[in-house]
Amino acid sequence: QVQLVESGGGVIQPGRSLRLSCAASGFNFGTYGMHWVRQAPGKGLEWVALIWYDGSSEYYADSVKGRFTISRDNSKNMLFLQMDSLTAEDTALYYCGRRQRSHVDYWGQGTLVTVSS
Amino acid sequence: QLTQSPSSLSASVGDRVTITCRASQGISSYLAWYRQIPGRAPEVLIYSTSTLQSGVPSRFAGSGSGTDFTLTISNLQPEDSATYYCQQFINFSLTFGGGTKVEIK
Repeated sequence: QVQLVESGGGVIQPGRSLRLSCAASGFNFGTYGMHWVRQAPGKGLEWVALIWYDGSSEYYADSVKGRFTISRDNSKNMLFLQMDSLTAEDTALYYCGRRQRSHVDYWGQGTLVTVSS
Repeated sequence: QLTQSPSSLSASVGDRVTITCRASQGISSYLAWYRQIPGRAPEVLIYSTSTLQSGVPSRFAGSGSGTDFTLTISNLQPEDSATYYCQQFINFSLTFGGGTKVEIK
């Protein structure tokens, strides 16, 4: 069955960097686009980034453009999110999700990022 | 931008509830609905406005066009106590509505 497992979250100081990972299994990873979506504590869902199935295109929310980079390694069935210049507003549970045309059909359980001094 | 209403509602088991999602401008039929049970990841219920995701109970139904879309839950069940989000896909980005919290009386 499809499984997505995020890792790499933690407590990080403002201005520092963090790299999240998402391990995919149970499907042909290299044929699907992948999203990162985040959810601040007690808040709604906010889309972060999308990467094409082959890594050829990337799209970002305005709130993270220039600071976050989405990437993937299809040989290892892994998705990544490099987060630089973190601020308190980036504190959230970060989900990876499989793109199914216009929506997300599978979600991981999320990894929590807390930006605090 | 997507605006959901109501922001919260309370209903009894067996009731029928309706949640509305209004877009700030006309959008394609790429409108999806998710349920997020507390402490869990979201799960897709409906996509392309009215297509039921495989495995989702038929008590969930979606409809709408243009700027106004609706999620209807018939025969509300205890496990439907959750927050529901609509989502559109435009210019390779996802936009979510603010959410509707459904409480079971």
